[in-house]
Amino acid sequence: QVQLVESGGGVVQPGRSLRLSCAASGFTFSTYGMHWVRQAPGKGLEWVAVIWYDGSNKFYADSVKGRFTISRDNSKNTLYLQMNSLRAEDTAVYYCFTSLTAGTPLWGQGTLVTVSS
Amino acid sequence: EIVLTQSPGTLSLSPGERATLSCRASQSVSSSYLAWYQQKPGQAPRLLIYGASRRATGIPDRVSGSGSGTDFTLTISRLEPEDFAVYYCQQYGSSPITFGQGTRLEIK
Repeated sequence: QVQLVESGGGVVQPGRSLRLSCAASGFTFSTYGMHWVRQAPGKGLEWVAVIWYDGSNKFYADSVKGRFTISRDNSKNTLYLQMNSLRAEDTAVYYCFTSLTAGTPLWGQGTLVTVSS
Repeated sequence: EIVLTQSPGTLSLSPGERATLSCRASQSVSSSYLAWYQQKPGQAPRLLIYGASRRATGIPDRVSGSGSGTDFTLTISRLEPEDFAVYYCQQYGSSPITFGQGTRLEIK
């Protein structure tokens, strides 16, 4: 079954760190670029970061640059998002996303990150 | 960055009516990489249309997408009660991927 499954969300204090994971299955993970997208409560969808299929290039939204790091392990079919120096405004549901053959979008179900003291 | 502008912000219609939602891009978008999503409270976005006009699996044929270049449209021909939700367009052919701000479809 073609799917993405996120994990690692939770409640964390401001300034602390958290690492999200996105496990891929049912497709050749190592041939596709991968994105993280987030949605704050009651807000729209915001792109966070992208990593190329081989990990050779990474790009970030200005709002997370210098604090978040996207990475992947193609041997484990897993995407990661290391989030440091978390702020209240990082509170959101985080989704992993990719575009498969013929431009077919694929999303995970999301994992909630709450930054609160 | 391609900016997507959705209109209207809110659309008030009755069940059985036709809904037409617009998504305009600040520059040309590859039709192969334009998608529409439906989102209800507490749920992940649900893919409706991709490639501008291809229905996703399980989406009824009363839901259709059209357009090219900078103008795209989502049409729901006969609204059912379950159609009232927020709708987003997305382009994912140019980095960074971007989203419209959403159209809220509410019951009149």
